[in-house]
Amino acid sequence: GAVVSQHPSRVICKSGTSVKIECRSLDFQATTMFWYRQFPKQSLMLMATSNEGSKATYEQGVEKDKFLINHASLTLSTLTVTSAHPEDSSFYICSAIGRGGSLLRGYTFGSGTRLTVV
Amino acid sequence: AQSVTQPDIHITVSEGASLELRCNYSYGATPYLFWYVQSPGQGLQLLLKYFSGDTLVQGIKGFEAEFKRSQSSFNLRKPSVHWSDAAEYFCAVGPGSGAGSYQLTFGKGTKLSVIP
Repeated sequence: GAVVSQHPSRVICKSGTSVKIECRSLDFQATTMFWYRQFPKQSLMLMATSNEGSKATYEQGVEKDKFLINHASLTLSTLTVTSAHPEDSSFYICSAIGRGGSLLRGYTFGSGTRLTVV
Repeated sequence: AQSVTQPDIHITVSEGASLELRCNYSYGATPYLFWYVQSPGQGLQLLLKYFSGDTLVQGIKGFEAEFKRSQSSFNLRKPSVHWSDAAEYFCAVGPGSGAGSYQLTFGKGTKLSVIP
């Protein structure tokens, strides 16, 4: 149980275009989802926290107009990188925690999306 | 603010040898502690977690970790490493019970290489 599917696993886009990354909880209701960014050989940097039905909370330094997060349902959150530039190239990972859940059950992570902007 | 330090960026061990990956944390109360493993281009898989009780916790794949409050440490160990254990390992700390937040803070990771 507690599977999170992230799609696409890899995407290449042209500079100036937008890219949408989906994060789905397959067998549980994800009341809270987290989006992370991971630079090469670096740790995970939390970008934002989203609760179903409400606006995402962005970490300091993360541009909310560039990284649009939508968590419209209990099983789907999306991250849209708008007007992407080469510096947005990175590995993006989502994680989710379920209804009534807590850290006692731990997080479930998606398999990540490698974004390359050319 | 919570923080995690993994002092070893890269460790190389021979297959069959024992392993210890270090993790130190900073947190005002008793935290929740986690170890995750990440294979190249993949997401994170939970190895084990500590919340309370027995300070020695067992995880998957033969890993264990010991919580030492006096040293603010949560080191990961494995008695005999397999080649398939080569990966990146992340220690993470989360707010303890009643904190009302689910946010995890990750260390910078330790890359494990295994020599056949």
